[in-house]
Amino acid sequence: EPEVTQTPSHQVTQMGQEVILRCVPISNHLYFYWYRQILGQKVEFLVSFYNNEISEKSEIFDDQFSVERPDGSNFTLKIRSTKLEDSAMYFCASNRLAGGRTGELFFGEGSRLTVL
Amino acid sequence: GNSVTQMEGPVTLSEEAFLTINCTYTATGYPSLFWYVQYPGEGLQLLLKATKADDKGSNKGFEATYRKETTSFHLEKGSVQVSDSAVYFCALLAGGTSYGKLTFGQGTILTVHP
Repeated sequence: EPEVTQTPSHQVTQMGQEVILRCVPISNHLYFYWYRQILGQKVEFLVSFYNNEISEKSEIFDDQFSVERPDGSNFTLKIRSTKLEDSAMYFCASNRLAGGRTGELFFGEGSRLTVL
Repeated sequence: GNSVTQMEGPVTLSEEAFLTINCTYTATGYPSLFWYVQYPGEGLQLLLKATKADDKGSNKGFEATYRKETTSFHLEKGSVQVSDSAVYFCALLAGGTSYGKLTFGQGTILTVHP
């Protein structure tokens, strides 16, 4: 069964360093998302991406964050200069255009980011 | 704004016990409601959904009914199994929003003992 894969599963970095989290969405999906969950808090929407551009972003997604689909398979989230409060589990998700507004997203296992 | 509130966890039950996880929401318009589940070591996956008032979503023995009058979408299962141990997330998709921008509750950890 197709699945969304994320790498790395866990990354530890120093404050101020750049981090890139990688995702391979399901191959026929066209909408891509990043969500995050700070420990003990809710899963929060960060950004949605369609047709090689951001379609919507939350107020969390400031200038320190960027997303890119550098080739036909990968979808990346970059944090330019990490802060302690960026420590969280980051989830990539995708869905099919034909899914419309069903809300059925397919999530990866998550990448845990720890900023020291 | 939109928000989802789930009952505090963790929840610990014995096998074959009845499960209820409460979920209430605040939203403008007519949201769609979802329960997602995350099994250990896996990503979130859709468990069930309901797109309009009085709809009942069901899957794998779990059920939830969209109650507009009480703004609730409580998850129930009549007889839980050890394999149901997971984290359960209630979520909504607000009317008029872009595709896939879900608002989640905080998640409820369920542990089922033999």
